[in-house]
Amino acid sequence: SQTIHQWPATLVQPVGSPLSLECTVEGTSNPNLYWYRQAAGRGLQLLFYSVGIGQISSEVPQNLSASRPQDRQFILSSKKLLLSDSGFYLCAWSAGSRETQYFGPGTRLLVL
Amino acid sequence: AQSVTQLDSQVPVFEEAPVELRCNYSSSVSVYLFWYVQYPNQGLQLLLKYLSGSTLVKGINGFEAEFNKSQTSFHLRKPSVHISDTAEYFCAVSDMGTDKLIFGTGTRLQVFP
Repeated sequence: SQTIHQWPATLVQPVGSPLSLECTVEGTSNPNLYWYRQAAGRGLQLLFYSVGIGQISSEVPQNLSASRPQDRQFILSSKKLLLSDSGFYLCAWSAGSRETQYFGPGTRLLVL
Repeated sequence: AQSVTQLDSQVPVFEEAPVELRCNYSSSVSVYLFWYVQYPNQGLQLLLKYLSGSTLVKGINGFEAEFNKSQTSFHLRKPSVHISDTAEYFCAVSDMGTDKLIFGTGTRLQVFP
């Protein structure tokens, strides 16, 4: 069966520091991968999605970037965090277009 | 652009009572519809989905939802809730042929004993 991992589970970072969140998927190959952010009191916002290695689509211009160095690895990064980057970051995968998305456990990021 | 509206940000209900969580979407094209549940400090879990066929969709944990194209709604229902149903529920929509899910802002279901 397929599983999706995210780490770290919780992260507290100072403003201006870099960020790297990792997501990996097991039990499938060539998945579509997604990064979402859930800010307090708001719904989920799609940040990036990827249909293959090195293929990244950005949905919202912002302080963040994403990379997919391996088929089942998706990384969310920032060079300098802002206070507004605080939130709950969720990674998801799907088997392809029009397939159900399955979510990881999330990373809670607090920028101080 | 598509949007999803969840009219109730919070729904308090007593245990064993019925509940309906409302969801409306704006798309005029054919869509896929989803309900996800999020328990505290966890990721999202798929409750049910509508892709095509019968407009009444049954999901896990006794939940069901009905797709109403004329009203562009996809309300979630459960005839008798449990304490363990306390969670945040998200409605989502995607256009057929795209990978992008548009989520509503969520409804927090609070079940009281």
